[in-house]
Amino acid sequence: KQEVTQIPAALSVPEGENLVLNCSFTDSAIYNLQWFRQDPGKGLTSLLLIQSSQREQTSGRLNASLDKSSGRSTLYIAASQPGDSATYLCAVHAGGTSYGKLTFGQGTILTVHP
Amino acid sequence: GAVVSQHPSRVICKSGTSVKIECRSLDFQATTMFWYRQFPKQSLMLMATSNEGSKATYEQGVEKDKFLINHASLTLSTLTVTSAHPEDSSFYICSASPSAGRYTFGSGTRLTVV
Repeated sequence: KQEVTQIPAALSVPEGENLVLNCSFTDSAIYNLQWFRQDPGKGLTSLLLIQSSQREQTSGRLNASLDKSSGRSTLYIAASQPGDSATYLCAVHAGGTSYGKLTFGQGTILTVHP
Repeated sequence: GAVVSQHPSRVICKSGTSVKIECRSLDFQATTMFWYRQFPKQSLMLMATSNEGSKATYEQGVEKDKFLINHASLTLSTLTVTSAHPEDSSFYICSASPSAGRYTFGSGTRLTVV
């Protein structure tokens, strides 16, 4: 059974800091891995998707890496802003095909204060 | 593109009544949709996979008779919480896959049973 763990559970940083969120998974047989953002009481917004054959993806100030063999992914946020405050969820698409299920981590609650 | 609309966003109902939540794919067809439940400060837990034209597949521990799922068309899936009780109060989110391995989420429904 795939298990996904995110560290830290919560993070509070001053504006402008670069930060790293960590995600680990137990079964390396994945189709892809996605990072999502969730604002309080809202749905999920997809940030980055890394296919199992890829090592990283970048979008603006966000960079996500994937090391499938070690079961790890990191989300790097550069020059953090108060608007980045949200819960960040890592989700692993299980199995080697596109028909698997998503397994989510518990999330990292990020607070960026001015 | 690839928008999933979920309605209502909030609902309060009396204990013993039933509540229906709708999930629509607005600009793509979805033969499969997914229903998640999220408790406060916890991650998303997959409840069931909704299949167009056939019965839903429920995850272990999810009561089929409590959470009725209907996927009558390629753009609409509904989740009905029957005989709701306070312990059913939660945040429910639906998801659909516009392309292989990618997922789009609805904005969620906050259900409060009083």
